[in-house]
Amino acid sequence: GAVVSQHPSWVICKSGTSVKIECRSLDFQATTMFWYRQFPKQSLMLMATSNEGSKATYEQGVEKDKFLINHASLTLSTLTVTSAHPEDSSFYICSAIGQGADEQYFGPGTRLTVT
Amino acid sequence: AQSVTQPDIHITVSEGASLELRCNYSYGATPYLFWYVQSPGQGLQLLLKYFSGDTLVQGIKGFEAEFKRSQSSFNLRKPSVHWSDAAEYFCAVGGAFGNEKLTFGTGTRLTIIP
Repeated sequence: GAVVSQHPSWVICKSGTSVKIECRSLDFQATTMFWYRQFPKQSLMLMATSNEGSKATYEQGVEKDKFLINHASLTLSTLTVTSAHPEDSSFYICSAIGQGADEQYFGPGTRLTVT
Repeated sequence: AQSVTQPDIHITVSEGASLELRCNYSYGATPYLFWYVQSPGQGLQLLLKYFSGDTLVQGIKGFEAEFKRSQSSFNLRKPSVHWSDAAEYFCAVGGAFGNEKLTFGTGTRLTIIP
């Protein structure tokens, strides 16, 4: 089956710094990738949708200048949390889907802790 | 706007007993429906999905779900649960095209007692 990886799986950073999370489709070309955020014991909330080579589409209420998404290739999308604050601490999950496919494949998630 | 309601936040079931997790959705067109399972600290694993056809869908790990359009429901069932089924379960709805975003319910946490 299709595999999506995320790196790192866990990261701690200091308040005010930036952190980059990678999402890779390992065995298929992902024309679309999604970034979700999950707070403890809560559901996944879609942050943005990114299509390869295009600017990401952000959901209402998500600061695009704070959560920078780049989908520069068909196998890699990155989420950069800029000037991180403790309230940005969360579990970030990406998913990817190939051209013409009907199922998103999810990465294992990245736990971000901002101190 | 699309939405998903999972009315049960937490369910406790004895090992070997049957299970039903409820899911109701709201969607303006023909929905694509999914059930995912998430173990602690893990990503999501797809259990099953419904796009069209037979309204009773079989998934992995012995799970099945039934789509009932008249009730806007897509309940997940398993005849006999195992201790390893303890996890968080999410129902999700998406559009007719796979690259449309998914809207998730708030999840149901399943606890299994011996």
